[in-house]
Amino acid sequence: QSALSQPASVSGSPGQSITISCTGSSSDVGAYNLVSWYQQFPGQAPKVIIYEGSKRPSGVSDRFSGSKSGNTASLTISGLQAEDEADYYCCSFAGSNTWVFGGGTQLTV
Amino acid sequence: QVQLLQSGAEVKKPGASVKVSCKTSGYPFSKFGLSWVRQAPGQGLEWMGWISGYNGKSTSSQKIQGRVTLTTDTSTNTAYMELRSLTSDDTAVYYCARWNIVINTGDFWGQGTLVIVSS
Repeated sequence: QSALSQPASVSGSPGQSITISCTGSSSDVGAYNLVSWYQQFPGQAPKVIIYEGSKRPSGVSDRFSGSKSGNTASLTISGLQAEDEADYYCCSFAGSNTWVFGGGTQLTV
Repeated sequence: QVQLLQSGAEVKKPGASVKVSCKTSGYPFSKFGLSWVRQAPGQGLEWMGWISGYNGKSTSSQKIQGRVTLTTDTSTNTAYMELRSLTSDDTAVYYCARWNIVINTGDFWGQGTLVIVSS
């Protein structure tokens, strides 16, 4: 159960698009289409913004999108806004009712 | 509305145990599981374990397996996480999250409980 690999930080200018990668293995990301992405602001609990790889919960902006290729999942944020500045975490089902998080990515806008 | 209310901050000495509670409301407890996730200061999220609200069966990460016990009290819709043999590495904010097995994600989270382990 090794943590999924994410870049420590990414940055972008308002209006641009950025992509955050999340690399796992054939035992987690590659085995299931069950990656979630969470957004976390300082001092707050995480909030799910993508589930099952590419689905958005009600109320989440369509500027957030998810995808997967092989053992790597990706989160894309289009039309960056200052309010998107936060930490982002991926999380994958890893079988047998276990899950694993990525190390997190700090987004600077 | 769905709410998860966690117990207050704790300060423990190395070697001690801590038990954190997570009282839920606003949804049928037995229809969902709960995960426990922790976050050390300045660090990322770490999945610790999951427990079924239906039958109390649980799983935990290999890293802390053997030191953690997850339980539920269906009469009060409350989940508990007990962590034993604490070290300074266990200093963290501990979160409970309603874990929606259908969509495999934590859709509602508690406010977090700070546990400090210090001599």
